[in-house]
Amino acid sequence: GAVVSQHPSWVICKSGTSVKIECRSLDFQATTMFWYRQFPKQSLMLMATSNEGSKATYEQGVEKDKFLINHASLTLSTLTVTSAHPEDSSFYICSGASGRHEQYFGPGTRLTVT
Amino acid sequence: AQRVTQPEKLLSVFKGAPVELKCNYSYSGSPELFWYVQYSRQRLQLLLRHISRESIKGFTADLNKGETSFHLKKPFAQEEDSAMYYCALSGGNAGNMLTFGGGTRLMVKP
Repeated sequence: GAVVSQHPSWVICKSGTSVKIECRSLDFQATTMFWYRQFPKQSLMLMATSNEGSKATYEQGVEKDKFLINHASLTLSTLTVTSAHPEDSSFYICSGASGRHEQYFGPGTRLTVT
Repeated sequence: AQRVTQPEKLLSVFKGAPVELKCNYSYSGSPELFWYVQYSRQRLQLLLRHISRESIKGFTADLNKGETSFHLKKPFAQEEDSAMYYCALSGGNAGNMLTFGGGTRLMVKP
């Protein structure tokens, strides 16, 4: 099946700094990429949907100025958490989809803000 | 609005016992339903989708539009089935955007 990678797998940053997470589709072109957030022992919550070359669509309650999403190519999307705070600590998961086919999920990135 | 409900957070069964993970949904149109599985320390992966009508790893799920349910079943659970299971819904107008249920942790005891 199709493979999606995320980098880094784990990042620790200080409060007030920004951190960028990359999501790459390795063997297919992801026309749409999704970013999710998962708190411990909870389900995935969709944060935003991004289509290549256009602005991301954010879910209600997700601050677009805090969670900057860029989908510059068919194989790369980035999520930048700006001015991170401890409450932003979470597991961030991306997925990619080509057309209306199924979503393929990355392994996730654990963000810890100290 | 679309919603997926998995009423059980934890389901514990013995090896060889039947298992049913419940999923109910609400959606005004014709949804596409999925079951995803996440094994320990692994990424989320698709287990099956209702339009395929296939059995994967012995699991089946039938879409019941009358009861708005998509329960996942397996007649004889195996220890390697222990994992988190998520039911998800995709609405026709939302492209392939998924709405996930809260997840059910299945523990199969020896």
